[in-house]
Amino acid sequence: AQTVTQSQPEMSVQEAETVTLSCTYDTSESNYYLFWYKQPPSRQMILVIRQEAYKQQNATENRFSVNFQKAAKSFSLKISDSQLGDTAMYFCAFMKLLQNSNSGYALNFGKGTSLLVTP
Amino acid sequence: DTEVTQTPKHLVMGMTNKKSLKCEQHMGHRAMYWYKQKAKKPPELMFVYSYEKLSINESVPSRFSPECPNSSLLNLHLHALQPEDSALYLCASSPRTSGRSKNIQYFGAGTRLSVL
Repeated sequence: AQTVTQSQPEMSVQEAETVTLSCTYDTSESNYYLFWYKQPPSRQMILVIRQEAYKQQNATENRFSVNFQKAAKSFSLKISDSQLGDTAMYFCAFMKLLQNSNSGYALNFGKGTSLLVTP
Repeated sequence: DTEVTQTPKHLVMGMTNKKSLKCEQHMGHRAMYWYKQKAKKPPELMFVYSYEKLSINESVPSRFSPECPNSSLLNLHLHALQPEDSALYLCASSPRTSGRSKNIQYFGAGTRLSVL
């Protein structure tokens, strides 16, 4: 079974600073996708960044980047130049196969890290 | 455009009521999902529809009844709910269900349901 662990329930960072959110996962699959989703108080679950396991290069989306360590099964999110609008719950997620490939895939989420960006 | 629209945004219902949640997407996605999210918890998968057919039911009680009338629309019919069913109900869609690269899921803003 795939499990996703986020060990930091809450974090705080000052505006313009850099913060790293940690995520570890467990899987026996060799090829998979990992995601970071952001859920602000508005409740919308927003895709921040994704990483394909077979790609060694770390994904980057503007101020967001990941440090993907496949052997260690670690997938951390770095937010540079933090902004007040980054305040949200951040979920790390693993794309898991449901029953078989015809059933499709679903997201297995970690428990989330609540990030507060302060002025 | 990665918009998934859910209505209503908020819903309060009694345990004897019948209500429905609605989800729409116009991105041509052929897979749609219902997730349930309790406060301060991650979303949990309820149902998966693939090409308008129910492909996964994660042992959800029968008081929740999903329906996919067409490729753009997903409903969740609610009947005889319990107070513990109060939660945020999220809808998501993805281009396909098969093939990981086609399974990137995009979420709506959810319906906040309160059962009295």
